[in-house]
Amino acid sequence: DTEVTQTPKHLVMGMTNKKSLKCEQHMGHRAMYWYKQKAKKPPELMFVYSYEKLSINESVPSRFSPECPNSSLLNLHLHALQPEDSALYLCASSPKPGETEAFFGQGTRLTVV
Amino acid sequence: KNQVEQSPQSLIILEGKNCTLQCNYTVSPFSNLRWYKQDTGRGPVSLTIMTFSENTKSNGRYTATLDADTKQSSLHITASQLSDSASYICVVSCEFSGGYNKLIFGAGTRLAVHP
Repeated sequence: DTEVTQTPKHLVMGMTNKKSLKCEQHMGHRAMYWYKQKAKKPPELMFVYSYEKLSINESVPSRFSPECPNSSLLNLHLHALQPEDSALYLCASSPKPGETEAFFGQGTRLTVV
Repeated sequence: KNQVEQSPQSLIILEGKNCTLQCNYTVSPFSNLRWYKQDTGRGPVSLTIMTFSENTKSNGRYTATLDADTKQSSLHITASQLSDSASYICVVSCEFSGGYNKLIFGAGTRLAVHP
């Protein structure tokens, strides 16, 4: 299994809703990442988890809350989002934090209305 | 400032033709360079990855080159197919603190292959 699986593929939520994005990998990777990508722009790093601990937070607003329940799962909890948060959210993993081969999931297309 | 610049921004070619995409970077300290293919609304898929000492790497119809002296890379696509239509992103890995390598993304080249 060489895949990073993200669910849901699409999500529409209101500004008062609470929702979660999920990411799963079974490659034994110990580093996992959340990226945000706006249309026609490169991905922007949001969070890095290293051995299930948050190691990098790129000054992301608190309405985005990451969680790493175990080495295979990564969640992104969403609350009180703004329409400008609408984007493609990508999860990625790599064998170790220092490893540079990152495998990306297919992304969740989020629309905030 | 760590930057990755790609050219052209967009490119249209006919099916069966070859094309070359360019990537210039100013990233230090350099760790490696990779090319990704990203279909619209999907996650990036790795095509090639090259370290400082590698000049050329191929993956099927894709051939990447790296000149670490001039800090330039290219991705050559031969005998293009309609399925090659996508964005091609150059990503340079930069050694970061705490044992983490930060990925510096280019803006991508949007390739359209027409029949």
